[in-house]
Amino acid sequence: DAKTTQPNSMESNEEEPVHLPCNHSTISGTDYIHWYRQLPSQGPEYVIHGLTSNVNNRMASLAIAEDRKSSTLILHRATLRDAAVYYCILKPGTASKLTFGTGTRLQVTL
Amino acid sequence: GAGVSQSPSNKVTEKGKDVELRCDPISGHTALYWYRQSLGQGLEFLIYFQGNSAPDKSGLPSDRFSAERTGGSVSTLTIQRTQQEDSAVYLCASSSQGKNSYEQYFGPGTRLTVT
Repeated sequence: DAKTTQPNSMESNEEEPVHLPCNHSTISGTDYIHWYRQLPSQGPEYVIHGLTSNVNNRMASLAIAEDRKSSTLILHRATLRDAAVYYCILKPGTASKLTFGTGTRLQVTL
Repeated sequence: GAGVSQSPSNKVTEKGKDVELRCDPISGHTALYWYRQSLGQGLEFLIYFQGNSAPDKSGLPSDRFSAERTGGSVSTLTIQRTQQEDSAVYLCASSSQGKNSYEQYFGPGTRLTVT
């Protein structure tokens, strides 16, 4: 499976935008880029996914580099409730399981 | 609507005992997954069920681990002769279409402690 690389931790101030980077230089043409997050003491939660084009939903935006070797999850206005571990995952179109890395622990402060 | 539920939420057992963990997926979801999360190994896939197809057991760490899914709904993960390294949070997830599904919905997990 292709691997992703994320910073171990990031900090943000509340109500400011947050850009969470993910490198996936060995991505294949059939790999979708998925983001999940895990709040303290909870199971992971789907955030967003994309293949080639940038994506927006009510939770976040996903910006995908033209060569698809990196992507960025954008939280437009971080709140304290966004403090979580964010996982960037490559999911082959024909596979079903999620392969989690170590993720980025996001801290949000007042 | 109701999400994925798991029981028990916490389980403490003695080394060598068998344990059963239960997962109730979202109604109508055909795919069901088990993962576990431990301090040393992070979040890892265990087993996947999709409809009536043979399950993908590629993530089960040993033959002490097994899982069933009855009637295409509820699933039970069984760990026989538990060991201390089995201590972890066991997470269940379900999704609507399996291989082509985009979202997996996770339950709150069962925290297993083996003493």
